[in-house]
Amino acid sequence: EMQLVESGGGLVQPGGSLRLSCEVSGFTGSDSYLTWVRQPPGRGLEWVSVIYRGGSTYYADSVKGRFTTSRDGSKNTLYLQMSSVRPDDTAIYYCARRPSTSWGLDYWGQGTLVTVSA
Amino acid sequence: QSALTQPPSASGSPGQSVTISCTGTNRDVGGYDYVSWYQQHPGKAPKLIIFDVDKRPSGVPDRFSASKSGNTASLTVSGLQAEDEADYYCNSYAGSDNLVFGGGTKLTVL
Repeated sequence: EMQLVESGGGLVQPGGSLRLSCEVSGFTGSDSYLTWVRQPPGRGLEWVSVIYRGGSTYYADSVKGRFTTSRDGSKNTLYLQMSSVRPDDTAIYYCARRPSTSWGLDYWGQGTLVTVSA
Repeated sequence: QSALTQPPSASGSPGQSVTISCTGTNRDVGGYDYVSWYQQHPGKAPKLIIFDVDKRPSGVPDRFSASKSGNTASLTVSGLQAEDEADYYCNSYAGSDNLVFGGGTKLTVL
């Protein structure tokens, strides 16, 4: 069964850092592109980043230069390193998979809440 | 990376059909056949219901259909059921390996 499980959310002060993790099981990295999507409380979805199987990463303008996506193949884990966080980074962060052969995020984690506040 | 435009709300009675629009530009919706739609119930993660403009994943009822014309994509829910009440989001590839979501539409089943 394909599954994604996020962890690492919590309260962080403005300007601080936090690392989110997403443990992936049930599918291989060779046929999957992994994505981070966030949702501020009561608001809509926002694409954050993607990492391709070759390790290339791409980011939304709102997080570029502050967030870094990486993965550890040996641990089947995706990471989102968040730095210089701002109050408007407060959101539920989801990891999701896009299969390499189509355009749709077909598996999602349950999300982890990040709150940026003093 | 401007969000795609969706109506904030839509509604219909059980058994009726409702269509939700998603308007972008020729740099996203109009430029690629890479539109997807998601259903999200309160407190839950989004669920993929349409990919590649008009394809349904296995297990999604055929009451859900979608299309695209120019810079506007559309999702139609036919034979509305109570469990269809949810938020719906469109998404499109926007070039340069970026994705963009719509602002979301709250569907109410009257």
